[in-house]
Amino acid sequence: QITLKESGPRLVKPTQTLTLTCSLSGFSLSDIAVGVGWIRQPPGKALEWLALIHWDDDKQYNSSLKTRLTITKDTSKNQVVLTMTNMDPVDTATYYCAHRRTIVGPFDYWGQGTLVTVSS
Amino acid sequence: QLVVTQSPSASASLGASVKLTCTLSSGHSTFAIAWHQQQPEKGPQYLMKVNSDGSHTKGDGIPDRFSGSASGAERYLTISSLQSDDEADYYCQTWGTGIQVFGGGTKLTVL
Repeated sequence: QITLKESGPRLVKPTQTLTLTCSLSGFSLSDIAVGVGWIRQPPGKALEWLALIHWDDDKQYNSSLKTRLTITKDTSKNQVVLTMTNMDPVDTATYYCAHRRTIVGPFDYWGQGTLVTVSS
Repeated sequence: QLVVTQSPSASASLGASVKLTCTLSSGHSTFAIAWHQQQPEKGPQYLMKVNSDGSHTKGDGIPDRFSGSASGAERYLTISSLQSDDEADYYCQTWGTGIQVFGGGTKLTVL
């Protein structure tokens, strides 16, 4: 059974760096073609894709946020980490990680999400 | 630019059917999309992938009441025999080289 679980701080101050961890179960990021992505959703708004990392360490980023994002994987811990620098109140959102089973295709399993509030 | 567009809202009566639309941007009419359901206060759940020929592949445990189809640049999600817990936001997603794109979502109200 594939599950993903996000963890990280609930509150960060403006200008700080956010670090979120996605813990994976039921699959490995060493499995060929597998990818894990991060998606966020501000309160009352739509989903926004942030970043994606593949089993072969290929990384993709939302072009509008690329300078602030870093995605990495720790295969030994079966985790994916997202860092976002220079946080701002507009970055307040629920952050989700999600599984993708093929090199090209949709996210097919989602984590429960974690709400991050940016406030001083 | 790869974009998917959805109507902001839709409504239908309990027990009826509803068809939601996701429209691909010009030049991308052959792209596949996926539908995700987000019930109130919950995370999204993958429903299905819909290909340009209308074939679709559903996620684990998705009921037969949910089906997908396509016509030109439009991709559809049809929900039959509407139930109260079908009241949710529905997002379409597409993907290209190095990019993932979500639509603005359709809020479905079950009357």
